[in-house]
Amino acid sequence: SQTIHQWPATLVQPVGSPLSLECTVEGTSNPNLYWYRQAAGRGLQLLFYSVGIGQISSEVPQNLSASRPQDRQFILSSKKLLLSDSGFYLCASSGVDPNEKLFFGSGTQLSVL
Amino acid sequence: AQSVTQLGSHVSVSEGALVLLRCNYSSSVPPYLFWYVQYPNQGLQLLLKYTSAATLVKGINGFEAEFKKSETSFHLTKPSAHMSDAAEYFCAVKNSGYALNFGKGTSLLVTP
Repeated sequence: SQTIHQWPATLVQPVGSPLSLECTVEGTSNPNLYWYRQAAGRGLQLLFYSVGIGQISSEVPQNLSASRPQDRQFILSSKKLLLSDSGFYLCASSGVDPNEKLFFGSGTQLSVL
Repeated sequence: AQSVTQLGSHVSVSEGALVLLRCNYSSSVPPYLFWYVQYPNQGLQLLLKYTSAATLVKGINGFEAEFKKSETSFHLTKPSAHMSDAAEYFCAVKNSGYALNFGKGTSLLVTP
């Protein structure tokens, strides 16, 4: 099965600072990759997904961007963080079939102050 | 667009009692339905998945869920709660495309 490595586990950043969260996947090749954000009491919101290197689709307009420089690497970035960017960020992967189960990383708790 | 509604943000049961977590979906076509569990400070793990093969789906850790089209429901149950079942539970729905739409989650508390 797939293993998702995600870091850091927690991050406290000031408003206006940049952000870079990294996610790597083991145990599979050519996965679909996803970034979700979990805000308190609001469930999980899909931010980005990628079906291949350099291919990024955004689900919601926002202050964040994503990149996939390698097959099993997915990066979430921001040039200037906002207070509203605070939340729990989860990286996930699946096989080529998007209807199969998602494997999740352990998440990054981001606090923007 | 497809969506799910989880009734009750917090559910408390006694150890050994029945667990019932409610999920209703909205979808114009037969959906894929999922239940995921999240333990504190961890990612999500798949409990079970409905793909139209059978209306009663059995998952891990003794959980199961029944798809009821007439009620547009996919409630999660477990006959006897264990302390280790305390976690956040998410129902999710998917039709086409890549977006898995999650509910807001239900926090399950198990008391001795």
